[in-house]
Amino acid sequence: GDSVTQMEGPVTLSEEAFLTINCTYTATGYPSLFWYVQYPGEGLQLLLKATKADDKGSNKGFEATYRKETTSFHLEKGSVQVSDSAVYFCALSDPGSGNTGKLIFGQGTTLQVKP
Amino acid sequence: ETGVTQSPTHLIKTRGQQVTLRCSSQSGHNTVSWYQQALGQGPQFIFQYYREEENGRGNFPPRFSGLQFPNYSSELNVNALELDDSALYLCASSKRDRGRSYEQYFGPGTRLTVT
Repeated sequence: GDSVTQMEGPVTLSEEAFLTINCTYTATGYPSLFWYVQYPGEGLQLLLKATKADDKGSNKGFEATYRKETTSFHLEKGSVQVSDSAVYFCALSDPGSGNTGKLIFGQGTTLQVKP
Repeated sequence: ETGVTQSPTHLIKTRGQQVTLRCSSQSGHNTVSWYQQALGQGPQFIFQYYREEENGRGNFPPRFSGLQFPNYSSELNVNALELDDSALYLCASSKRDRGRSYEQYFGPGTRLTVT
């Protein structure tokens, strides 16, 4: 079935470092792809999305490009801040779920940014 | 904040008991999805409600059931609680229009502990 795989964490960076969190997916159709962020003790917040191949989603300095040829949607940020410390989830909208828009999530990657 | 609210925020139950969790969707949204997030894992889709009917279900047993009300709010009911039901339960609301589902916005979650 459809699935999402993220790089294992935790990822620990110094402030202003470059961030990459890898995400690859398996899907039978043409899913939409998402990054969600979860701060401690909170629910999930939609960070960015891309709905078709070669689309680039971006928000708050984060960006990710939908790469159909490598089935990837890696998250990047040029200069991280302490406030970016959180758990990041890559997800796809299951094209096999009809029109429910059901989300399939990766296991999450914890990012710790030190001052 | 997304405008999706959930209650209660925390709950402790004993194995074998029943629990009801509640969710109010964001204004303008007509669809509610429920997810279970075990500690250290990504959320898993339980089911979705649209027009007061279940519209898609994940790999969860029938003791997980739900309702949607005319105002689009929703309840998740779990009977015969098991220790493995301990998790963060997330509600997500979205808009569905003309067969298309739009992105989901999550509430803060209800932390259920089963002892």
